[in-house]
Amino acid sequence: DAGVTQSPTHLIKTRGQQVTLRCSPKSGHDTVSWYQQALGQGPQFIFQYYEEEERQRGNFPDRFSGHQFPNYSSELNVNALLLGDSALYLCASSLEPSLTGELFFGEGSRLTVL
Amino acid sequence: QQQVKQSPQSLIVQKGGISIINCAYENTAFDYFPWYQQFPGKGPALLIAIRPDVSEKKEGRFTISFNKSAKQFSLHIMDSQPGDSATYFCAASGYTNAGKSTFGDGTTLTVKP
Repeated sequence: DAGVTQSPTHLIKTRGQQVTLRCSPKSGHDTVSWYQQALGQGPQFIFQYYEEEERQRGNFPDRFSGHQFPNYSSELNVNALLLGDSALYLCASSLEPSLTGELFFGEGSRLTVL
Repeated sequence: QQQVKQSPQSLIVQKGGISIINCAYENTAFDYFPWYQQFPGKGPALLIAIRPDVSEKKEGRFTISFNKSAKQFSLHIMDSQPGDSATYFCAASGYTNAGKSTFGDGTTLTVKP
């Protein structure tokens, strides 16, 4: 049973560029949430996708956008990259409404903005 | 506004000792309180979780203590082992929407042999 998979694992971009990160949820899960984890901090909720729609959003600017596909996989797009966008981007999947409250994380995509 | 405050930031414990990490939350709507373990280069993994209808939950060497009136909860790691060395995060969410979790800033635990 495959867990949550993310790609790419590492990438380097320059300021002003755009980036797309991808996530495949755990088998059987229909909800994908994205988190940003800056160095030395806890993950911060970006947004959540369910039934191909953004269901909830954290305190992130519109430069952060996403998409969920019919197979439940998801993309995170960040436009006009800033140095402060350098972080580990984590995808987490769950089955909503959850009967167990469990959230499963991928290993993340580490973005470096130069 | 940080809704989940975690302490200490770092912790060093001798092998066999007890590791204790504390968290406090503000939003009384939270009703699911998990702890995650994260190793370098990996994503967080659920370790143990509790709901506010119980005051304590134990799974092996890991115990969560929950104080609803104080809005605090803590993780106790008994008989700490070098393999427990990792970063631990507390979190809080609604039980049916763990996907939108609020995390603490993490505690880096080092267990010395």
